[in-house]
Amino acid sequence: QVQLVESGGGLVKPGGSLRLSCAASGFTFSDYYMSWIRQAPGKGLEWVSYISSSGSTIYYADSVKGRFTISRDNAKNSLYLQMNSLRAEDTAVYYCARDLYPSSSGWWGDWGQGTLVTVSS
Amino acid sequence: SSELTQDPAVSVALGQTVRITCQGDSLRSYYASWYQQKPGQAPVLVIYGKNNRPSGIPDRFSGSSSGNTASLTITGAQAEDEADYYCNSRDSSGNLWVFGGGTKLTVL
Repeated sequence: QVQLVESGGGLVKPGGSLRLSCAASGFTFSDYYMSWIRQAPGKGLEWVSYISSSGSTIYYADSVKGRFTISRDNAKNSLYLQMNSLRAEDTAVYYCARDLYPSSSGWWGDWGQGTLVTVSS
Repeated sequence: SSELTQDPAVSVALGQTVRITCQGDSLRSYYASWYQQKPGQAPVLVIYGKNNRPSGIPDRFSGSSSGNTASLTITGAQAEDEADYYCNSRDSSGNLWVFGGGTKLTVL
């Protein structure tokens, strides 16, 4: 079965950096587009970033563009999110999500359990 | 980017039908998808495309769209349907995605 396991969250000071990882299993990772989606405490969902199966196409939300970098290692079945210049408003649970089908859809059929990032001094 | 607007809260009597709506300009070009989220859990996709349900989603969930409004209908709401519901769509550029603010559904 599909498994997505995020890691790397924690407490970081404003202006600091953090790298999130998502370990994927149970499917052919290199076939699927992947996304990061976050949820601030008590708030709604916010799409953060999207990467194509090969890594050649990448999109970012305006709120993180220039500060966050999404990447993937298909040999390691892993998705990453490098977060720099972190702000208090980046505090959220970060979810790794897989497209429903092995093509670009933006329909996220599988989600990890999330990893909490807290940005505070 | 564009915005998707949802009513913050909706209630329904057990066994009755409820419609949750989502409004936005991008919905004139792209279908909405719908996610259910229960407290402390990751979201679950319940409707995608024109009106498709992933495997395992009960057929009491259905989707529709007209103009700039997408709707999620639950026919015969059950207690376990009490959750937050989020709509999602591409924005007008087609390269970014946006979520609605969410609707908290209470089953009375």
